[in-house]
Amino acid sequence: KNEVEQSPQNLTAQEGEFITINCSYSVGISALHWLQQHPGGGIVSLFMLSSGKKKHGRLIATINIQEKHSSLHITASHPRDSAVYICAADVNSGNTPLVFGKGTRLSVIA
Amino acid sequence: KAGVTQTPRYLIKTRGQQVTLSCSPISGHRSVSWYQQTPGQGLQFLFEYFSETQRNKGNFPGRFSGRQFSNSRSEMNVSTLELGDSALYLCASSFYRGGNTEAFFGQGTRLTVV
Repeated sequence: KNEVEQSPQNLTAQEGEFITINCSYSVGISALHWLQQHPGGGIVSLFMLSSGKKKHGRLIATINIQEKHSSLHITASHPRDSAVYICAADVNSGNTPLVFGKGTRLSVIA
Repeated sequence: KAGVTQTPRYLIKTRGQQVTLSCSPISGHRSVSWYQQTPGQGLQFLFEYFSETQRNKGNFPGRFSGRQFSNSRSEMNVSTLELGDSALYLCASSFYRGGNTEAFFGQGTRLTVV
């Protein structure tokens, strides 16, 4: 079982829809990252959060430490939001700096 | 401030060859991590360097190696390439703030082994 699980794996939405991507983790973390990867490979860090909620434009990330769960929300989705969204846990112990989920592939259709 | 720079962006090699990939981190960042991304496995940690020392290592064979120079630039080397080494190799430059890791990724090097 992966230490970091994301759902759904794939998501197709109509332009304008509200989108939620979920991330659950089973280990102790100091922070959780949400990353965006567009076709072509480059990864952009969207959020790093260790508690509560952060907002940047149409993107909102929340984390519940007790439930070991985080969500990424996209309001008023747009085709340019189409990408793979990856959550990554900054684990308290272990050998890896970050442990990644498998990613959620989002397609927003006009 | 320049971002993380990886070179080359694309590479085609044949089985048995060796390859060297380069990563220049953000100025002032001393930690560089390398990751392999394949469609089946997602992102997997290769190794992390900090101040020229390998600090952590993932579960990859010895054919995968790396190093970091005094200017924090890092290289990773894969020897005796196999078809399964075809992947996107990502480098992340990071620093620790408030007990957390802030990571910044490069565009990656897409390696194809034929």
